[in-house]
Amino acid sequence: DTAVSQTPKYLVTQMGNDKSIKCEQNLGHDTMYWYKQDSKKFLKIMFSYNNKELIINETVPNRFSPKSPDKAHLNLHINSLELGDSAVYFCASSPRTHDPFLFFGPGTRLTVL
Amino acid sequence: EDQVTQSPEALRLQEGESSSLNCSYTVSGLRGLFWYRQDPGKGPEFLFTLYSAGEEKEKERLKATLTKKESFLHITAPKPEDSATYLCAVQASGSRLTFGEGTQLTVNP
Repeated sequence: DTAVSQTPKYLVTQMGNDKSIKCEQNLGHDTMYWYKQDSKKFLKIMFSYNNKELIINETVPNRFSPKSPDKAHLNLHINSLELGDSAVYFCASSPRTHDPFLFFGPGTRLTVL
Repeated sequence: EDQVTQSPEALRLQEGESSSLNCSYTVSGLRGLFWYRQDPGKGPEFLFTLYSAGEEKEKERLKATLTKKESFLHITAPKPEDSATYLCAVQASGSRLTFGEGTQLTVNP
């Protein structure tokens, strides 16, 4: 049984389009995250939600909007995609806020053409 | 601002050739240092936590150590299945993790 799952695994789209990535965790964790990993493998946090409440919002363009319908789900919607948005996006969860024991999903590789 | 620097960026070893990966950090009030392993096409997986200078943790062929300025991940007699990217992260008190850029390890048979 997959602990943290993301869909889709791959996403190829044109500049200017809007796309969404979905994430679900079945670990019963309270906190979920979105991380962005660039081509140099650098992992940078974007957002964090604790029990549906936004608690970390890094300096991310307004085109990125997370949504957490319940504590097991955290989706990421991206408007007006740009070339620089190409990266691998990871969803992760942890038992509580700022808990360093993160469980990562398999990642979504986004390619913007 | 917390900073984590990993070296080397990439490391190629022959099977059985032991070596070490380095993670240097600058953080105000270290709460913990964490090593993760990332296989191609997958998310990082947690390996070790180190909390104080002098602490050591071991798992199979891997041993992680911590000083006040850096951590080492020693790999003894590596096998091809140890090939992966190894990520180091630090956490200051009450804050989020800061990751390094990782070391991509390749172990040739």
